[in-house]
Amino acid sequence: DIQMTQSPSSLSASVGDRLTITCRASQRISNFLNWYQQKPGRAPNLLISGASNLQSGVPPRFSGSGSGTDFTLTITSLQPEDFAAYYCQQSYSIPYTFGQGTKLEIK
Amino acid sequence: EVQLVESGGGLVQPGRSLRLSCAASGFTFDNYAMHWVRQAPGKGLEWVSSINWNSGNIDYVDSVKGRFTISRDNARSSLHLQMNSLTPDDTALYYCVKDLAAASTGYFDPWGQGTLVTVSS
Repeated sequence: DIQMTQSPSSLSASVGDRLTITCRASQRISNFLNWYQQKPGRAPNLLISGASNLQSGVPPRFSGSGSGTDFTLTITSLQPEDFAAYYCQQSYSIPYTFGQGTKLEIK
Repeated sequence: EVQLVESGGGLVQPGRSLRLSCAASGFTFDNYAMHWVRQAPGKGLEWVSSINWNSGNIDYVDSVKGRFTISRDNARSSLHLQMNSLTPDDTALYYCVKDLAAASTGYFDPWGQGTLVTVSS
């Protein structure tokens, strides 16, 4: 199974900050990497697929990059509605696996 | 608008069974693979099972193989998960999730709101 490791596990930031979340795969997965946002009490929502493809309706302050084993999710100019949990997930092979999540909190 | 509505969750004793259902609407159900993904209380996400458009390709995470069975009824636009021999480790919110293609690609979008399964004596 492919292990996905996210860092940090939690992060405090302020509105307007720029931040980066990293995700590392235990083996090369090309660009088969997706990012999800989950707000408290809500189902996850697909933000980015294929490492860098922003889903329709997702604000352009979100961006993704990377290939192989190392990936990043960047949020520029944090907005109040961005404070949530973020998960990376590999879709390279079954079993599909998720990172442990990054909880983004307001400083 | 795509809607996925799960049902069938509840409190069940260890060793017992439960059958989850997901009613799909707003899209052509038999054009897409479907998944179940679960989230234990306060924990992360775990993919459980996938089924392609015609039930010809089915997969499970190792921890549920031999105990869980995924199925779909394309005529009724419904997805099911039969869960047998439940253990406390199966306690979680179970999400019904649509894939982006007929064959499983592992792109999960969108998600239902989930149905809670609690396994406890």
